[in-house]
Amino acid sequence: GPKVLQIPSHQIIDMGQMVTLNCDPVSNHLYFYWYKQILGQQMEFLVNFYNGKVMEKSKLFKDQFSVERPDGSYFTLKIQPTALEDSAVYFCASSSRDWGYEQYFGPGTRLTVL
Amino acid sequence: QQKVQQSPESLTVSEGAMASLNCTFSDGTSNNFRWYRQHSAKGLEVLVSIFSDGEKEEGRFTAHLNRANLHVSLHIREPQPSDSAVYLCAVSMRGNYKYVFGAGTRLKVIA
Repeated sequence: GPKVLQIPSHQIIDMGQMVTLNCDPVSNHLYFYWYKQILGQQMEFLVNFYNGKVMEKSKLFKDQFSVERPDGSYFTLKIQPTALEDSAVYFCASSSRDWGYEQYFGPGTRLTVL
Repeated sequence: QQKVQQSPESLTVSEGAMASLNCTFSDGTSNNFRWYRQHSAKGLEVLVSIFSDGEKEEGRFTAHLNRANLHVSLHIREPQPSDSAVYLCAVSMRGNYKYVFGAGTRLKVIA
């Protein structure tokens, strides 16, 4: 099936630093998502993105978070500055144009903030 | 706010026996339901999507939806050890882009 890639698979950084998580979505998909899963907890929606804009974001999407997809390249999640509670696995997903259409997920990036 | 709960938390079945997983949701206007499988260190694999009451089969995976009872289930026919994984229920509503996930059921299939 369609593949979503995420780079890197694991990132370790010191608290206060900036981090950028990269997602390579399915090529013809236009809707992009980030979800956060803290170890042992439920996966939770962070944000979705379409046509260069954030469509919806949750309470977890703090002011320190930002997303973009410059020139159709990677869809990125940037956290600046990072905090200890940002340690989690971040999953990227993409879907085709219809609402609620199947979201295809990447393998996740495990972020560890020390 | 939508609540999605899965049961049981973990399930062990013998190879070839039917495995049944449950998911309840709180918002009766939900109309998109998906079951995903999550192997360790891998992405989520979509197994079956269902949008109306009744049954939907995809290979060995069958979803049953009863919106009046706020319940959707997944049945795995003839499970194999390779089916051992965490199974996630995801619920959304038309016009709403996000999924709300359950906490998952960890399935172990023993030979």
